[in-house]
Amino acid sequence: AIRMTQSPSSLSASTGDRVTITCRASQTISTSLTWYQQKPGKAPKLLIYAAATLQSGVPSRFSGSGSGTDFTLTINSLQSEDFATYYCQQYYNFPFTFGPGTEVVFK
Amino acid sequence: EVQLVDSGGDWVQPGGSLRLSCTASGFTFNYYNMNWVRQAPGKGLEWVAYISTLSSAINYADSVKGRFTISRDDAKNSLYLQMNSLRDEDTAVYYCARETTGFDHWGQGTLVTVSS
Repeated sequence: AIRMTQSPSSLSASTGDRVTITCRASQTISTSLTWYQQKPGKAPKLLIYAAATLQSGVPSRFSGSGSGTDFTLTINSLQSEDFATYYCQQYYNFPFTFGPGTEVVFK
Repeated sequence: EVQLVDSGGDWVQPGGSLRLSCTASGFTFNYYNMNWVRQAPGKGLEWVAYISTLSSAINYADSVKGRFTISRDDAKNSLYLQMNSLRDEDTAVYYCARETTGFDHWGQGTLVTVSS
């Protein structure tokens, strides 16, 4: 199975900050990567698919990049509603696997 | 509006069985591949199972292979997860998720608690 890692596991930031989260795959996955946002008690929400394509309705302050094994999620000008946990996931092959998550908390 | 409603979660003893359901509305259900994803209390997301359109392809996580069965009834716009030989470590919120490029819509989740 492809193993996904994320760094950092947690970060503290303030409103208006630029935040970067890194995701790494244990083998190449081309651009078969998605990013999700999850708030406590809620289902995850798709933010980005194909590594860099913004899901419809997601604010443009979110962006994704990368290919192969290294990927990045960037949030420009963090807003209060962005404090949440973020997960990457590969869908290159089965079993689909998620990263362990990055919690973004208020500084 | 796309809606997925998860149901069937309950408390069950180890070794027991449970059947989860996901009822879809607001889209043409038979056009989409579907998945189950779970989340243990305080933990991250874990993909559980996949079923393609026409049920032509099915895949499972190693942790549930041989114990769980995913199925769909397109006439009823419904997805199912039959869970047998349940273990303590299967305790989680279970979500169904529609797949396009990524899981673009999710159910609200249903809680399965396995405990003696």
